[in-house]
Order: sequence, then structure tokens, then C-alpha cells
Amino acid sequence: EPEVTQTPSHQVTQMGQEVILRCVPISNHLYFYWYRQILGQKVEFLVSFYNNEISEKSEIFDDQFSVERPDGSNFTLKIRSTKLEDSAMYFCACKKEGDSNQPQHFGDGTRLSIL
Amino acid sequence: GQSLEQPSEVTAVEGAIVQINCTYQTSGFYGLSWYQQHDGGAPTFLSYNALDGLEETGRFSSFLSRSDSYGYLLLQELQMKDSASYFCAVRAFSGNTGKLIFGQGTTLQVKP
Repeated sequence: EPEVTQTPSHQVTQMGQEVILRCVPISNHLYFYWYRQILGQKVEFLVSFYNNEISEKSEIFDDQFSVERPDGSNFTLKIRSTKLEDSAMYFCACKKEGDSNQPQHFGDGTRLSIL
Repeated sequence: GQSLEQPSEVTAVEGAIVQINCTYQTSGFYGLSWYQQHDGGAPTFLSYNALDGLEETGRFSSFLSRSDSYGYLLLQELQMKDSASYFCAVRAFSGNTGKLIFGQGTTLQVKP
């Protein structure tokens, strides 16, 4: 079964540094998402992306965050200047179609630890 | 605001049946999904209800009542490997992509 691949699995970074989290979505999927999950809490929506632009972003997704699809396969989340509270699991997800009942498929996540 | 309520923990024995309830208050409701998560790993899709009624997929079933803003996940013939966190998630229409709004999750512990 096709998978969503995320790298790295664990990223440790000093506060104030930039991080880029990478995702390779399933190849024929057109809709992409980033979610985060702080340890022990629920999964929270960050941003959705379609046709090379952001469709919607949450309050969490402030000016420090950006997303990009630099080529036909990768989908990245960048945090420009990390804060301690950015420590969380970050999940990439994708979906085949927008308005159908197709499920979102999640990657294994990147554990981001800010020191 | 948007909120989903589900029990924080449920315990059951192997072979039993367990029901995990979810009530929601959201705008732009399109359907209710259920995801399983083992040890903080990838949320894995289990089931989706867009219309009222019961959807059955093997040992798992999911029910939705839109008029009551309520749904549940039913797990039958419980196995030890079913010990995990279970999240209900509302598919909220947003633009043309449909974000998911998750509940806090229910930790299911299956005992021998």
C-alpha cells in the first residue's frame, strides 16, 4: 500500500534556529496537510495546500511557518525561528480528492525537539 | 468554537465489545472519521460516516447521528493489538480541501 514518507523521524534543534520538515506524499494525491501533536494532546490542524498554494491555515500557523512544494514529489514545512513550544510531533497527510469521502493518509511523523 | 468530546480512557478485556462515543460541535460538518494511533505513531484511518447510520468494516463499526451531533466507534472481538488511542475527527469543509478537527482521543487498554 502506498505510504506517506516523512524525514527526519526525529529532529533536535536549538531555539531560534530554522528547521525544515520534509514529506513525500502518495504520488497521485493532490491535497496536502500538516498537523501537529504536542505530547499527550490531540492532533491539531496547521495548514492545507492544493494547486501550489495554501488553502487554509490555523491560528497556530503564524508568520514563522511556511510550506512549499518545491518539486513534483516533496512537500515541506519550514519553521523560521523555532520556539520551545514548537516541540511536538508533526504529521504530514495527503488526500486523493477534495470533495469526496476519501480519507486523509498520514505519515509516521517527525518528532521535533527544541532545546 | 469547534469542539469534540470523547472519553479519555476505556478498558476492556480480550474478546469483548467496546464502544467509544464522540459528540461534536463544529461548523461546516461534512462527516465524522475515526483514526487509530499506536504509541504516538501515524494516525491510521479506520472509518468515515458522512450520512446517518452504521458503517461496518470487519471488526470495527462506526455510527453517526447528524441530528444528535453524535457518533461512536464499535470494536468487536477485541484483541491485545487493539490497545491504542482512538480519535474521532470531524471533516470540516474549508475551501476545497477539508481539514480534520480532532477530538482529544480515547486510550483503549485491552486486558487479557
